[in-house]
Amino acid sequence: AQTVTQSQPEMSVQEAETVTLSCTYDTSENNYYLFWYKQPPSRQMILVIRQEAYKQQNATENRFSVNFQKAAKSFSLKISDSQLGDTAMYFCAFMMDSSNTGKLIFGQGTTLQVKP
Amino acid sequence: DGGITQSPKYLFRKEGQNVTLSCEQNLNHDAMYWYRQDPGQGLRLIYYSQIVNDFQKGDIAEGYSVSREKKESFPLTVTSAQKNPTAFYLCASSIPGGVETQYFGPGTRLLVL
Repeated sequence: AQTVTQSQPEMSVQEAETVTLSCTYDTSENNYYLFWYKQPPSRQMILVIRQEAYKQQNATENRFSVNFQKAAKSFSLKISDSQLGDTAMYFCAFMMDSSNTGKLIFGQGTTLQVKP
Repeated sequence: DGGITQSPKYLFRKEGQNVTLSCEQNLNHDAMYWYRQDPGQGLRLIYYSQIVNDFQKGDIAEGYSVSREKKESFPLTVTSAQKNPTAFYLCASSIPGGVETQYFGPGTRLLVL
């Protein structure tokens, strides 16, 4: 069975600095998709970034980028120039390509506090 | 504006009572999902539906039921058989095909009186 592990329950960063959130996963599949979702205090889940496992190039969305290491089964999220609005809980999620169900498997989440 | 709405925002359940959580979307998505979120944990899949009049159990379906009579709507009923229903419930939708990005509603907080 696939599992997703986020080993950092809580992190903090000063405004304008860079922070990296860790995520590891376990799967025997070769084709899959990885996601980072953000859940601010409003509790609305918002997609931050998505990575296809068959792509070697790391995904980037403005200040958010990932470091995808397929062999190590690692998928970390880097937030550059942190802003107060980045304060949220961040979830790493995994989806098998072969499932056809759209089932997402989530990690436990990392609470990020951006300090002024 | 296209989006997903969930109601109510807060819901209280008495012992032995069934309650229904509403999820509506106007994104024209065929696939819809229900997740449960407990404190300190990630989301877990309860039920999902890839098309109208069809739905499948997720990882924690016991004590829950769903229907999918319309493309726009995917209500979740928390039955009296669910002994620990206090949680935050999130509905999501996507284009079907398995690997499409899911978009989430604002959630419903269910509390037991």
